[in-house]
Parts: sequence; C-alpha cells; structure tokens
Amino acid sequence: DGGITQSPKYLFRKEGQNVTLSCEQNLNHDAMYWYRQDPGQGLRLIYYSQIVNDFQKGDIAEGYSVSREKKESFPLTVTSAQKNPTAFYLCASSIEGALPYNEQFFGPGTRLTVL
Amino acid sequence: QQQVKQSPQSLIVQKGGIPIINCAYENTAFDYFPWYQQFPGKGPALLIAIRPDVSEKKEGRFTISFNKSAKQFSLHIMDSQPGDSATYFCAARDGSARQLTFGSGTQLTVLP
Repeated sequence: DGGITQSPKYLFRKEGQNVTLSCEQNLNHDAMYWYRQDPGQGLRLIYYSQIVNDFQKGDIAEGYSVSREKKESFPLTVTSAQKNPTAFYLCASSIEGALPYNEQFFGPGTRLTVL
Repeated sequence: QQQVKQSPQSLIVQKGGIPIINCAYENTAFDYFPWYQQFPGKGPALLIAIRPDVSEKKEGRFTISFNKSAKQFSLHIMDSQPGDSATYFCAARDGSARQLTFGSGTQLTVLP
C-alpha cells in the first residue's frame, strides 16, 4: 500500500521544547516538502528537498530544521525558536526530473499544539 | 511576486448549484495550475490541473477555466453534491523553482 505517512497525528508540546514530526513515503519520490497550514492562510512552504542530503529553505523556515538522510524520510524538527508553532503540518512528495508537471502527494498531517 | 489570490473565502450553495472559485496571480513564470481538495483533518488531494496553453479543462463535474491574458483561473463544480463540501485550494507552480504557491483556500458548503 503506497503512500505518505505522518506521525504522530496529534502532538502536544510544552513551551521551550523541541519536537520532531515524522514523514515517510514509499512512492520512490525524489522530492519531499513540509508545509504549515493555518486557518485562512493556505499552505506555506517551510522546507523542501529535491535529493538526499540536500534541502532548501522555503518561505517560513525560521524556527524549523530538517534532515534528508534517506530518500523515503524527511523529518521536521520544530525548535523552541519557533514562536508560534501551533498549526497543522503537512508533508508532501513528488517525482522530480522525469515529468515537467510534478504532482505533489500529501500525507494526512500532524496537528501540533503548544501548551 | 509569488502570491496567488483566491476568492471567496467561503461559499455556500444548494445541492445542484454551480459554485465558482476564482484565483489570480502576477508571476508570469508560473507554468502549472493545480487545484487541491481537502476534507477536515486530512491532507489535500489533487483534484484537477491545467497548463497555461489550455483555456479550459474538464474532469467529470469539475472544470478549470484559464485566462492567460488576465492572469486568472477558476474552478467550477457542476451539479454540486453535499459530498463536495470541503476546502479548495488553487496553486501555481514556478517552473524554475519547482515550488507550489497556494491560495488561501475556499471553504465550500453544499446544502442538501
């Protein structure tokens, strides 16, 4: 059963703590993305990675970090430097290179709440 | 300018009605315009997409109309059903950066 999995579905964090959100895909996609979704603001790009061991900042990277050690995994760490981390976080992946119009496939999301 | 402006923010129609959601952009480097559908608590899923060399695309009850000169595109849902109630996002891809820029979303409610 191919797809993108995100865990956990719900995550609660105390202020000052770092937390890591998991994203795994078995679609053999080259590119992976992290978005943040807030009510009324659509999806905003945090980080993206087009190949293993390489990633670029998106529009709102401050307070977040990522790694891409394996093709199928792209974990996101929300650090204590992120001042307003409560949001719905979405991971996506897509094929790179072969297709000129790459569809992004999304995971089910992780809802992070800071207590 | 990377922004994609989407309207309306919310929309309520009766079953069988034809909701229309509009998006506008400025960046002429955008080369791909997908629409995503998202149900509460779920990730978005691709609904339909269009390239700028086409003025209209239909897939089932969903139609995209594209006006390149006006830099506008819209989603029409024919014979809307209560199951179409969801949030719809337009997006645009910058071909050189290979990133999607999303609109702010439209919450559609189809009344039975």
